[in-house]
This record gives sequence, structure tokens and C-alpha cells, in this order.
Amino acid sequence: AQSVSQHNHHVILSEAASLELGCNYSYGGTVNLFWYVQYPGQHLQLLLKYFSGDPLVKGIKGFEAEFIKSKFSFNLRKPSVQWSDTAEYFCAVNPTRTGNQFYFGTGTSLTVIP
Amino acid sequence: DVKVTQSSRYLVKRTGEKVFLECVQDMDHENMFWYRQDPGLGLRLIYFSYDVKMKEKGDIPEGYSVSREKKERFSLILESASTNQTSMYLCASSLHGASTGELFFGEGSRLTVL
Repeated sequence: AQSVSQHNHHVILSEAASLELGCNYSYGGTVNLFWYVQYPGQHLQLLLKYFSGDPLVKGIKGFEAEFIKSKFSFNLRKPSVQWSDTAEYFCAVNPTRTGNQFYFGTGTSLTVIP
Repeated sequence: DVKVTQSSRYLVKRTGEKVFLECVQDMDHENMFWYRQDPGLGLRLIYFSYDVKMKEKGDIPEGYSVSREKKERFSLILESASTNQTSMYLCASSLHGASTGELFFGEGSRLTVL
């Protein structure tokens, strides 16, 4: 079955550590890619998105993600995490042939220790 | 800013009751979606709608129905609530078109079925 895989379910880091969260998908064809973040008690909000062009995209709060087409991956990175980055992170894929359908990974819970 | 408003943040219902979850968006978006979010399972699409009076089944429509009588409003209905429908329900909206971008989410409705 086609899917979106987030391999890290729970990640615990100390402040200032570097972060990389993996996301792989199995949908063929052209895709739009997204990372969403859900801070404790808040609604899901967009962190960054990729539609086309430069495969390295920058988002809010110092996050970036790299689209590697050959690996069907869209990993999220941040060089130095802060306590305020504690949240749940979701990767989402929109295969353009499906129109407006979005498929989400199971999420990664990040805890940053001060 | 796009605002997606879900009428109830927390609900407690009994098995067999009929449940209505309401969602309103204020940005004239064509597309509206209902997801449920469960720990370890991520977001799963229940139903979506591309237009007024139009609906499409998502990945887990069983036990649910929807109504879209007006463009800005998308309702999720549980005809006879069951304990396995205890979950967080998320409404989202987006502009129509394959590459128009992201989903905008409401704050969620946490439903407990006893």
C-alpha cells in the first residue's frame, strides 16, 4: 500500500542539538510535500512546503527540509533546537494526480530538554 | 489569516448517541476535510468535499457521514456513536487546485464516547 513513513516516533534532544526527522513516501509521480507542526494544545500549522524548484526549502523558526526525489524522501532538519520546538511533527504528501488529497505520516514527537 | 473554527473543543457522549461536529472556514475555500487523529496512527481522512453538496469518502468513512450545505460549513455526523470513535477530530480547508498549497486546520474537537 502507498504510504508516508516517519521512522522516528519519539525523539528526545538537549537544547542546541541538531535535529533530523525522516520522512519517506511511496507515491509515484509529481508530489507536493509538507511538514506540519503541532505544539502542545495548539492546532496543526504549516512549517514548510515544497512544490517545485530548489529541493532545499526553508520554513519558519529555522527549520529546513530537503527533497531527494531518487530516495522519495523529505527530511526535516534544524541545526540547533530550542525548548520551544517541543511538539509533534507530521510529514504530509499531496500526490498531484489525486488533486487535493493529502496523506500524513504517523508523526514524530519531539521533546527538547532545557 | 485563514480561520477554521470547530464549534466544540470537547464533547462527551454516550454510546448510540448522534453526534454533530461543526466546522466553519472564513476564507472562501472550496475544499474541506475531516480527519481523525489518534496516537501512533497520525491523521486519517474520513471525508472530504470539493464543493457545496459534494462529498467524497476518505480512508475511514465507516460510521460517519458529512453534510455541506454551504461553502463555508462542513459538518461531520456520527449517526450512532461507538467507543472506538473516541478521538480527536480535525477539520481542515484548502483552496481548490492541484498545487495551490496547504491545508489550514481548526483546533480540533476531542470526542469521548462512553
